[in-house]
Amino acid sequence: DAGVIQSPRHEVTEMGQEVTLRCKPISGHDYLFWYRQTMMRGLELLIYFNNNVPIDDSGMPEDRFSAKMPNASFSTLKIQPSEPRDSAVYFCASSWTGSGANVLTFGAGSRLTVL
Amino acid sequence: QQQVKQSPQSLIVQKGGISIINCAYENTAFDYFPWYQQFPGKGPALLIAIRPDVSEKKEGRFTISFNKSAKQFSLHIMDSQPGDSATYFCAASMKGFTGGGNKLTFGTGTQLKVEL
Repeated sequence: DAGVIQSPRHEVTEMGQEVTLRCKPISGHDYLFWYRQTMMRGLELLIYFNNNVPIDDSGMPEDRFSAKMPNASFSTLKIQPSEPRDSAVYFCASSWTGSGANVLTFGAGSRLTVL
Repeated sequence: QQQVKQSPQSLIVQKGGISIINCAYENTAFDYFPWYQQFPGKGPALLIAIRPDVSEKKEGRFTISFNKSAKQFSLHIMDSQPGDSATYFCAASMKGFTGGGNKLTFGTGTQLKVEL
């Protein structure tokens, strides 16, 4: 398996623009997580899905952020409109109930810079 | 709120030395304590994990020590090597797959540098 695949790896955009980050989890994994990493706040859980259903979105910072998982092999995190304070590395991770849903495999991350 | 406190923020160790990173947690319902290792430009990767029914777990040069009464756990890297230079995160979660029980709460990370 190729692991968790995220795209784009780097995104530079201007304030006010829409940003869409994409994630392909490991095949067979039934949990998907979106994390944000910054120097100031470390790794923050934004939202997670189980069997494509959002379970907990309490970490989503505000209404500008939205996440979807239309099927078991694809998820998106959208920021609209983007702001400079959204600059961070966004990680997608997946896990499988059978091996312990809290054993996460992370993707390589999407580094977002909002100018 | 910060439920897992990690220290130190950064650590420099000489090659061959012992690296020690500490974490403390608040929620007594936590029952799974992993450590993740992150190299620059990569996502965190699971290194080693422990459950509170044991006080120590060893995998190669990496050991987790767990003190349930003090609500603390630590990572020890024996014979530290330059290739161990990375950021290390402790984390904690509750068992159960519903109601957010499997959410991992991460510490703030420790940047380890192993010098020759």
